[in-house]
Amino acid sequence: GDSVTQMEGPVTLSEEAFLTINCTYTATGYPSLFWYVQYPGEGLQLLLKATKADDKGSNKGFEATYRKETTSFHLEKGSVQVSDSAVYFCALSNTGFQKLVFGTGTRLLVSP
Amino acid sequence: DTAVSQTPKYLVTQMGNDKSIKCEQNLGHDTMYWYKQDSKKFLKIMFSYNNKELIINETVPNRFSPKSPDKAHLNLHINSLELGDSAVYFCASSQDQGYQPQHFGDGTRLSIL
Repeated sequence: GDSVTQMEGPVTLSEEAFLTINCTYTATGYPSLFWYVQYPGEGLQLLLKATKADDKGSNKGFEATYRKETTSFHLEKGSVQVSDSAVYFCALSNTGFQKLVFGTGTRLLVSP
Repeated sequence: DTAVSQTPKYLVTQMGNDKSIKCEQNLGHDTMYWYKQDSKKFLKIMFSYNNKELIINETVPNRFSPKSPDKAHLNLHINSLELGDSAVYFCASSQDQGYQPQHFGDGTRLSIL
């Protein structure tokens, strides 16, 4: 079945450092790919998405590019802030299936 | 205005009890979902409803029974609660397209004593 693999956390960075969180997927067909963020005590919020190969999703300084050849959707940000501390989930949604398949989540801790 | 709202936010109860969690969305979406997030933050879908019709039931014990009185509401009833049911349960909704992003509620933290 479809699956998503994310790098283990926590990822600990200093403010203004560069962030990469790796995500790879296994899926039949042509899934859409998403990054969701969960701040402490809150639900998940959509951060960005990409629906086809080579699409780049971006939001709030975060970016991810849908790479079909490497089945990857790595999340990047050039300069993280303390307020970016959260758990980040990579997810996919496949053709005809009205459900999200999530990775295990990666906790990001940013210190001042 | 809250888009997807769940009640209660916290639920503490004893093993063997029956409890319900309610979910409402005011986004006009056609599809609603229940997800379970375990203590390690792993998220897994439980159910999906489209226009009040059950679409997905992911090998969830039949002690869990979703009910959708209309497309804006999807409630989750749990019978005979067990220790392993302790988790955070998230409701979500989306437009009736497989690729559309889902909007999540803030979760219900269920603790079984």
